[in-house]
Amino acid sequence: DQQVKQNSPSLSVQEGRISILNCDYTNSMFDYFLWYKKYPAEGPTFLISISSIKDKNEDGRFTVFLNKSAKHLSLHIVPSQPGDSAVYFCAASSLTGTASKLTFGTGTRLQVTL
Amino acid sequence: DSGVTQTPKHLITATGQRVTLRCSPRSGDLSVYWYQQSLDQGLQFLIQYYNGEERAKGNILERFSAQQFPDLHSELNLSSLELGDSALYFCASSSTAGYSPLHFGNGTRLTVT
Repeated sequence: DQQVKQNSPSLSVQEGRISILNCDYTNSMFDYFLWYKKYPAEGPTFLISISSIKDKNEDGRFTVFLNKSAKHLSLHIVPSQPGDSAVYFCAASSLTGTASKLTFGTGTRLQVTL
Repeated sequence: DSGVTQTPKHLITATGQRVTLRCSPRSGDLSVYWYQQSLDQGLQFLIQYYNGEERAKGNILERFSAQQFPDLHSELNLSSLELGDSALYFCASSSTAGYSPLHFGNGTRLTVT
């Protein structure tokens, strides 16, 4: 049961343009969401997060939008740069007692072309 | 550099064998998580420890076990290995047991032949 879904396995965007990566979730208990970036031969690197009490969080070129009613979040990268080429994972979490675990999507490979 | 250290980077072993993967969390982080990434799959949560105690369990096989030691490093033990256990195993750490971003190591690539 895939509770976090990234339906686009890959995305190609020109340098300077906006990249939009999408993520859907099914578990209504999730209330904390994160995006990670992963380069080959490295572990995932935390990019940006958002809690369910917000609908937008911005950090430099990266903005995450959360639509709780649609159970959908998206990551916007503006402007896209060649160094942004990587696999992006969406993750979601819920707190159970004092424990939380992240549930990851399968990732979207972003290629930023010149 | 995330500050999370995993050893070894690569491991090749035969079916039926047992291996131990090691993780040192970031300085000051009390919580350690183990994830498995098989080919073309997302990261599957295995288990979480917080300050030496098991806090959450995911789809971890009975052949797998983990522990976190008093110095906070963690080990993941995989036994009776099967071909399907070949994967990347990531360790991550965070400062709390609750909501905070996880910081990942670069993983151990396990190949079972």
